[in-house]
Amino acid sequence: DAKTTQPPSMDCAEGRAANLPCNHSTISGNEYVYWYRQIHSQGPQYIIHGLKNNETNEMASLIITEDRKSSTLILPHATLRDTAVYYCIVRASNTGNQFYFGTGTSLTVIP
Amino acid sequence: DVKVTQSSRYLVKRTGEKVFLECVQDMDHENMFWYRQDPGLGLRLIYFSYDVKMKEKGDIPEGYSVSREKKERFSLILESASTNQTSMYLCATEMSGRAFVNEQFFGPGTRLTVL
Repeated sequence: DAKTTQPPSMDCAEGRAANLPCNHSTISGNEYVYWYRQIHSQGPQYIIHGLKNNETNEMASLIITEDRKSSTLILPHATLRDTAVYYCIVRASNTGNQFYFGTGTSLTVIP
Repeated sequence: DVKVTQSSRYLVKRTGEKVFLECVQDMDHENMFWYRQDPGLGLRLIYFSYDVKMKEKGDIPEGYSVSREKKERFSLILESASTNQTSMYLCATEMSGRAFVNEQFFGPGTRLTVL
């Protein structure tokens, strides 16, 4: 079951904001939204997660719509090192549920 | 910093061989996971463990088994390797508690080729 839908690929100019969308229209009340990224030949790296409020950390911002059916990961000033595959995942908090990674969005930052 | 290490970055085995992939973490995390990653399919969960000697099947456990004799070590076993098990294998760990609202930390991966 695909719990999230993401565009397969996106480009972004270096120095500009990268906005990566994710649709999770079937999200339930106890499911959090997580974002990970995977740079070529490395394991996935955690970026950020949230439940319903917008979140920000040193890497990115996460904007979750009020109905929680979609979210956007924002990399405020993309660099070439942000070129990676970005995964949007939903996961319930009340049981030991797994992460469903899907195929993600391949972001290419262009010089 | 959490450190998750995997025994090999690259491994080549022959069909029918028994293969051990080892994962070791140094952060005293309770939860450990094995995924495989294939082009176009994303990451798929094979097995996971929430405690020593405990294991749970993920989405694709067939052809695999696991062992968790110590908290820091989680082994993935291919009893009789087949060519369709050629893949990138990723281990991950996670701290328990906080109602499972935690991030997972991944190892660098093992690229296994079965000839």
